[in-house]
Amino acid sequence: AQSVTQLDSHVSVSEGTPVLLRCNYSSSYSPSLFWYVQHPNKGLQLLLKYTSAATLVKGINGFEAEFKKSETSFHLTKPSAHMSDAAEYFCVVSLGPRKLSFGAGTTVTVRA
Amino acid sequence: DGGITQSPKYLFRKEGQNVTLSCEQNLNHDAMYWYRQDPGQGLRLIYYSQIVNDFQKGDIAEGYSVSREKKESFPLTVTSAQKNPTAFYLCASGTGSGHNSPLHFGNGTRLTVT
Repeated sequence: AQSVTQLDSHVSVSEGTPVLLRCNYSSSYSPSLFWYVQHPNKGLQLLLKYTSAATLVKGINGFEAEFKKSETSFHLTKPSAHMSDAAEYFCVVSLGPRKLSFGAGTTVTVRA
Repeated sequence: DGGITQSPKYLFRKEGQNVTLSCEQNLNHDAMYWYRQDPGQGLRLIYYSQIVNDFQKGDIAEGYSVSREKKESFPLTVTSAQKNPTAFYLCASGTGSGHNSPLHFGNGTRLTVT
C-alpha cells in the first residue's frame, strides 16, 4: 500500500521569494515520485520525476525536488517565485501504472 | 503536436440523463485512464485500460462505464446511477509499463448535473 500527504493545503509567497511545497509519502516498496502542476480548469502538467537515480531532481520552470528516503519526503522548491507559478501542485507516488496515489494538492498564491 | 484532447470543456446535464465524455490521444500510448477530481481530494481513478478492448475498474467505478474500441479513444459515460456526478473529469494516457513513466493529461471536462 502507498499513500502521499501534502502537508500544506495552501501556500502564499511574495513574488521573488522562495517557494517550498512539502510532500511526505509512505510505500511498501521503492516508488517513483512525481510533481505535477495544474492551472485553473486545465489538466495536470508534469514538473519533474524521481525514479531512483539522483536524489536532487531538476524540473521545468526552475523547480527542483529532493528525495530523502530517511525522511520519506519529496519536497518541491523554487528559489524565486513568479506570478505565473500561481497554481495547484500535486505530489504523486507511483508503484505502477495502476497504482498511483495523488496528494490532495497545494494551492500556491503569489503576491505582487 | 502530440497530446490528449478532451471534449467538451464544459458540459451541463439534467439529473437522470446519461452523458458521454470524449477522450482522444495521438501519443500512441497503450494505456488510458479516467480520473475524477473534487476540491481538496486529489484525483481518484474511475477506470483504466491497458490495451484495446480491455479495461478495468478503478477505485470509484460505480455509476460509470467506458469502452476502448480504438487505441486512440477512451470515452467515459456517466450514467444516471452515479449519485454525485458533478465534478472535473480528467483523462490521461501513459506507456503502461513500469512505475517510472509519468502520465500525460488532457485539459479536462467540467460536468455539472442539476
